[in-house]
Amino acid sequence: GIQVEQSPPDLILQEGANSTLRCNFSDSVNNLQWFHQNPWGQLINLFYIPSGTKQNGRLSATTVATERYSLLYISSSQTTDSGVYFCAVVNYGQNFVFGPGTRLSVLP
Amino acid sequence: KAGVTQTPRYLIKTRGQQVTLSCSPISGHRSVSWYQQTPGQGLQFLFEYFSETQRNKGNFPGRFSGRQFSNSRSEMNVSTLELGDSALYLCASSIQGEETQYFGPGTRLLVL
Repeated sequence: GIQVEQSPPDLILQEGANSTLRCNFSDSVNNLQWFHQNPWGQLINLFYIPSGTKQNGRLSATTVATERYSLLYISSSQTTDSGVYFCAVVNYGQNFVFGPGTRLSVLP
Repeated sequence: KAGVTQTPRYLIKTRGQQVTLSCSPISGHRSVSWYQQTPGQGLQFLFEYFSETQRNKGNFPGRFSGRQFSNSRSEMNVSTLELGDSALYLCASSIQGEETQYFGPGTRLLVL
């Protein structure tokens, strides 16, 4: 089945810093989503982005489907951005596969 | 529009017991997927239901089962609980299955 890798596994930032999270996947996908899991376990949708670029406030994401990777950019990070960021992909007709996540800690 | 709801939120069981978890999707969503999250294995897909039919199944033993009702609400059942079944169980709903998934708050299951 499709494999999903995320890097870095852990990231510690000072408040106000910028960061880039990466997601690599091993096969063609027709859906890719980025999620933020808060400390209570809730998975929150950030982007639905099988291709192209999207922006939402301080967050933006780019997926290059032909090269099988996606990037999540966080600018001017805040302590509330802390948590685990997951990318998840689905390959036509199959189920969603999640990456292992990037654990982000933003220090005040 | 109300979000995905899951009940109960927390559950403590002992080995050998069985448990039933419930998930109510967003109104109008017909696909419900279930995931198990553990520190060691991450987020793993259990199964997906669409219009009362299981459409996809992950690599879990037969002790894990589910069903979906005509109103799209879904239940999952774990029989003969093992210590390793302790996990956060998440359900997600979507309109048809492959587009944006919306997750519920999860059920934390502890097996003693």
